Amino acid sequence: GENVEQHPSTLSVQEGDSAVIKCTYSDSASNYFPWYKQELGKRPQLIIDIRSNVGEKKDQRIAVTLNKTAKHFSLHITETQPEDSAVYFCAASGSYQLTFGKGTKLSVIP
Amino acid sequence: DTAVSQTPKYLVTQMGNDKSIKCEQNLGHDTMYWYKQDSKKFLKIMFSYNNKELIINETVPNRFSPKSPDKAHLNLHINSLELGDSAVYFCASSQASGGRETQYFGPGTRLLVL
Repeated sequence: GENVEQHPSTLSVQEGDSAVIKCTYSDSASNYFPWYKQELGKRPQLIIDIRSNVGEKKDQRIAVTLNKTAKHFSLHITETQPEDSAVYFCAASGSYQLTFGKGTKLSVIP
Repeated sequence: DTAVSQTPKYLVTQMGNDKSIKCEQNLGHDTMYWYKQDSKKFLKIMFSYNNKELIINETVPNRFSPKSPDKAHLNLHINSLELGDSAVYFCASSQASGGRETQYFGPGTRLLVL
C-alpha cells in the first residue's frame, strides 16, 4: 500500500517568514495530493490540492509543488501569520484510499 | 448548513461499555469514512463505505462495527470499550471512492474511556 512520509514534525517560524513542509510517497500510481490544515480542537480542512498532471498550484499565500519522478510534494506558505499556526497534513491517493502523513505542527511566532 | 455532522461531540464512558457515534452528510456524496486520530495526531482510516457497501476495512478490532443505513449516514458502534480506544473519531465523506476525491471531515467525536 501507499506510504507517506512528512517532514518536519514541528516547525517554528517568525511572522512574515516562509514555511515549507515536505512529503514523499511510495506508490507511483498516486495521482491526487491534498493538504489539510487542522487547528487545535477542530476538524481537518482542505487548504489546497494538486493532481499529477500539474507541477505547481498556487492560492494566494499557499502553493504546492509536485515532483512525480522523485515522488515528493511540498507545501509552501509565504508571509506567515499567527493564524497559520496549526497542524498540517499531506496525503496521497494510493490505489484505493487516501493515506495521510503524520502531520507537521507549525507555530508562527508574532 | 452543516456539510458533515457527528453526534455526540464528546463521549466519556467507562471501560467495558458499548457506545455509538453517528454521522450524517448532506453533500450528496457516495462515499463515507471513519478515521481515528490518536493523541499523536496521526489520522488513520478505519472504514469506508460506498453507497452503503463496505469497501475499506483496515485492521480494526471487531469490537468496532460500522453501519450505513443509507448513503447519507454512517454510524460506528463500539463494543466493550477499552482504554486504548480513547481518541478523536472523525467521519468524512467524498463524492466517490478510490481516494482521489476531496474528503470533507465532520467536527469529530472526542471519546474518553475511563
